[in-house]
Amino acid sequence: QVQLQESGPGLVKPSQTLSLTCTVSDGSISSTSYYWSWIRQPGGKGLEWIGRVYTTGSTDYNPALKSRVTIAVDTSKNQFSLRLSTVTAADTAVYYCARASSSGWYGNAFDIWGQGTMVTVSS
Amino acid sequence: DIVMTQSPLSLPVTPGEPASISCRSSQSLLHSNGNNYLSWYLQKPGQSPQLLIYLGSTRASGVPDRFSGGGSGTDFTLKISRVEAEDVGIYYCMQALQTLRTFGQGTKLEIK
Repeated sequence: QVQLQESGPGLVKPSQTLSLTCTVSDGSISSTSYYWSWIRQPGGKGLEWIGRVYTTGSTDYNPALKSRVTIAVDTSKNQFSLRLSTVTAADTAVYYCARASSSGWYGNAFDIWGQGTMVTVSS
Repeated sequence: DIVMTQSPLSLPVTPGEPASISCRSSQSLLHSNGNNYLSWYLQKPGQSPQLLIYLGSTRASGVPDRFSGGGSGTDFTLKISRVEAEDVGIYYCMQALQTLRTFGQGTKLEIK
């Protein structure tokens, strides 16, 4: 069973860049069958899709965050990453990485999620 | 963007009783291939969301058959035939028709 694990700093200062990594275990990020996404959840609130990356490096982003977001894949490490620049307190959230099919399996739903990592933006 | 609207936002249920959650989308989620790209997730307390239902009505692997999904186009429903204590948490619907994935606000199910 594929597992996803987020990692990165839990505290980021305002105006700086948030950087997170998602490590894929027991599966290959190089599979052409999946997209790899980042999703976040501010405290006590709902879920917001940030964007996704394909094994080729192709990306799609939420237009609301597009100017500040970079998602990249590192197939040599079986990881993908998130960078969110110029952060503010509004970016404080639990950040999840998740997998979804690119081939229509599971209706392109997110079938596997990481456990999530809390990131607080504060000076 | 496709806006997803759930109701109710809070759902107190007695164990053994049925429960129903509605999800409406601002645009039809029915693809030309005949599939509705609507999925349901349950986020149990302190956990990440887990997939319950995809394509509107197909249960994910390992999901008990007391969970069922229905609907088409813009109106969808998640039903639990007999609520158990382990079903507490927040239920989200999500559309996967458009690249920009969007979720409902969530429905918090609690046990009376």
